[in-house]
Amino acid sequence: GQNIDQPTEMTATEGAIVQINCTYQTSGFNGLFWYQQHAGEAPTFLSYNVLDGLEEKGRFSSFLSRSKGYSYLLLKELQMKDSASYLCAVVDSNYQLIWGAGTKLIIKP
Amino acid sequence: DGGITQSPKYLFRKEGQNVTLSCEQNLNHDAMYWYRQDPGQGLRLIYYSQIVNDFQKGDIAEGYSVSREKKESFPLTVTSAQKNPTAFYLCASSSLEVGQLNTEAFFGQGTRLTVV
Repeated sequence: GQNIDQPTEMTATEGAIVQINCTYQTSGFNGLFWYQQHAGEAPTFLSYNVLDGLEEKGRFSSFLSRSKGYSYLLLKELQMKDSASYLCAVVDSNYQLIWGAGTKLIIKP
Repeated sequence: DGGITQSPKYLFRKEGQNVTLSCEQNLNHDAMYWYRQDPGQGLRLIYYSQIVNDFQKGDIAEGYSVSREKKESFPLTVTSAQKNPTAFYLCASSSLEVGQLNTEAFFGQGTRLTVV
């Protein structure tokens, strides 16, 4: 079967750095997305990785290791508005998105 | 402004009734998707369409139906056959198949359906 695993919830302090991990086992791989979702709202695109390595975009970075079936999202200089759920999704061999359950990130002052 | 619009934001339905959720996009996207989101679970694909007048079942299509008569519109009907319809429903669209040429999916704001 296809499986995406991410921690259910994480807590971090404003101004700090947090790393959210995602491991996957899918039938084929055509890229990995990270989305941010505030409660009751639409997911919004953060990053896309298809090759191994680190992609940096402002305070957010995303890393991929295809051989390990592993990705992480790194958030720096945390702000209160970063409190949200972070969704990991893998594109499988049929170009369908397989979604993790999401990681709820709580930021404390 | 280009975007994808879902309506209504909140919807209440009595048991045994069919209800239709609207999804409209003006992004000129070919592909459209319907997902269901439940607490503690990942998004699950209900139906998707890659071209007008054609659509395919996703992982949890039972109790749902769709149509794609226009490129801009992809309504979802939750029928009385759906045993547990209370959930958050998300519509999405993409220009190509997601993942091709870095194509991402764009989401509507969602409809929260509650059966009373």
